[in-house]
Amino acid sequence: AAGVIQSPRHLIKEKRETATLKCYPIPRHDTVYWYQQGPGQDPQFLISFYEKMQSDKGSIPDRFSAQQFSDYHSELNMSSLELGDSALYFCASSLDRGDNEQFFGPGTRLTVL
Amino acid sequence: GENVEQHPSTLSVQEGDSAVIKCTYSDSASNYFPWYKQELGKRPQLIIDIRSNVGEKKDQRIAVTLNKTAKHFSLHITETQPEDSAVYFCAASYRGATNKLIFGTGTLLAVQP
Repeated sequence: AAGVIQSPRHLIKEKRETATLKCYPIPRHDTVYWYQQGPGQDPQFLISFYEKMQSDKGSIPDRFSAQQFSDYHSELNMSSLELGDSALYFCASSLDRGDNEQFFGPGTRLTVL
Repeated sequence: GENVEQHPSTLSVQEGDSAVIKCTYSDSASNYFPWYKQELGKRPQLIIDIRSNVGEKKDQRIAVTLNKTAKHFSLHITETQPEDSAVYFCAASYRGATNKLIFGTGTLLAVQP
């Protein structure tokens, strides 16, 4: 069965650079969530989209932005990167906004030097 | 906002013993409580979930109980095996604009052979 795809899997950037993370949800899933997981931490909700519209926003810095495109894939754009942005970034998708299971992608490991 | 507390932070058991992890949530509107297993550097994987209209759910060696009055839910693993060793996260679904997950702080389970 198709799963959530994230690219790239690993990314190394310098401070103050920009990064773009991509997420391709499971086919027919209409909701995408982004989570950030720092070393030894639990995943923290960043932002979500339903039917290409932002549906909720969590602890996402103003330096980050995201959108969901017409094909339902989503991109997380991160600017002015800081050392503290080094983390695993997970995308998850689900079908509608009910109590349905969220399927997580393999994650993108971002390292900021 | 929603908060989920999880205990213990580490748990060491002998192979074949049972393991119990407990979580408490703060928002009485939460209605979906999944448990995830995460191996180092990998994605969170759903192992079992429970909805607020159910008090208990079991799947082979894994069971989850929910006490809505006390806002507690627990994960029970019986006959533990070394491959059960991982970090386990509980989560609560926040009934707001979306189904974003609020995670507990995680439990590192070590099963000693």
